[in-house]
Amino acid sequence: GENVEQHPSTLSVQEGDSAVIKCTYSDSASNYFPWYKQELGKRPQLIIDIRSNVGEKKDQRIAVTLNKTAKHFSLHITETQPEDSAVYFCAAASYNTDKLIFGTGTRLQVFP
Amino acid sequence: GAGVSQSPSNKVTEKGKDVELRCDPISGHTALYWYRQRLGQGLEFLIYFQGNSAPDKSGLPSDRFSAERTGESVSTLTIQRTQQEDSAVYLCASRPTASYEQYFGPGTRLTVT
Repeated sequence: GENVEQHPSTLSVQEGDSAVIKCTYSDSASNYFPWYKQELGKRPQLIIDIRSNVGEKKDQRIAVTLNKTAKHFSLHITETQPEDSAVYFCAAASYNTDKLIFGTGTRLQVFP
Repeated sequence: GAGVSQSPSNKVTEKGKDVELRCDPISGHTALYWYRQRLGQGLEFLIYFQGNSAPDKSGLPSDRFSAERTGESVSTLTIQRTQQEDSAVYLCASRPTASYEQYFGPGTRLTVT
């Protein structure tokens, strides 16, 4: 079945620096790749997603890139702020299974 | 509007007892998912309901776990003869037909003593 690997497991950056989190997936039929942010003790919330028909999507300080050939996608956060500190999960889904398979998460800490 | 709700928010039970966890999805959302999240870990898919189709139970870890959904509304996740390794947060999510985005509930924190 589908497997999603996520790196790094923890990431510490200085406020204002950029952060990059990378994921790889195994199922070539995957066509939807969301990123969720989970603050401590709270529910996961979608922050950005990308479909397989585009290579990059940007929303203010966050962007996601997708390389279908290599089967990997990345989350980029620029000008990080302390409130970006959270656990970030990538996920992959294909239209024929309709369920999300999540990566293991990255704990991002942004130090002021 | 109202989001996904789950009850109870916390449940402490003794090993060997059965528990029932409830999820109320967003009205009109046809798809409903259950996930398990152990402390400091990722989200583990358990089961998926889509309309009147047979549920995808491929993520259920053992036959002690089962779930039901009434039409396109409430779902209950039942864990029989609970074990300490069942301790986790159980998250429910729902999704409208025309979107991939899943909306998560606040979760039920289950502690088996």
